[in-house]
Amino acid sequence: GAVVSQHPSWVICKSGTSVKIECRSLDFQATTMFWYRQFPKQSLMLMATSNEGSKATYEQGVEKDKFLINHASLTLSTLTVTSAHPEDSSFYICSARSQRGINEQFFGPGTRLTVL
Amino acid sequence: SQQGEEDPQALSIQEGENATMNCSYKTSINNLQWYRQNSGRGLVHLILIRSNEREKHSGRLRVTLDTSKKSSSLLITASRAADTASYFCATVPLSGGYNKLIFGAGTRLAVHP
Repeated sequence: GAVVSQHPSWVICKSGTSVKIECRSLDFQATTMFWYRQFPKQSLMLMATSNEGSKATYEQGVEKDKFLINHASLTLSTLTVTSAHPEDSSFYICSARSQRGINEQFFGPGTRLTVL
Repeated sequence: SQQGEEDPQALSIQEGENATMNCSYKTSINNLQWYRQNSGRGLVHLILIRSNEREKHSGRLRVTLDTSKKSSSLLITASRAADTASYFCATVPLSGGYNKLIFGAGTRLAVHP
């Protein structure tokens, strides 16, 4: 159990376009989802925390108008990178936490974004 | 913001040897977790140790926690080539409603056959 999927697994886009990444909890209800980005050979940096039905909480330095997060249901959160630029190229990983297990986050496989 | 540091940044060993990775953090924690990440993949949860625990075992993994020094170590015994991956510690701070995982910089482990 506790499987989290992400779609797409990789995407290449032109500079200036917007890209949507989906994060789904497949076999549990995720009251909270987290979005991270990871640059090559670096650690995960938390971008934002989203709770179902409410606005996301962004970490300091993360532009909320550039990284739009929607957590419309208990099994789906989306991250939209708006007007993407080459510096947005990164590995984006989501994780989900259920109401029962506050200590454990289940991670998706990640999405590799390359902006040309 | 990142609060953890790990050393070494990279570790290269032979199969059968033990691998030890260390993690330090800055603020008081509820628990500390270790994750593994294969190249270009998501994270796999390995083990969780609570702030009132000092040592925990899971298979070939042994984790210690010293809250007075704000540090933890992960020991992988009898390593295998399949253990090659990056290993991250992550803390759940006491403040913030147990809502965040703060990741360390990670250790890249290479186990050679």
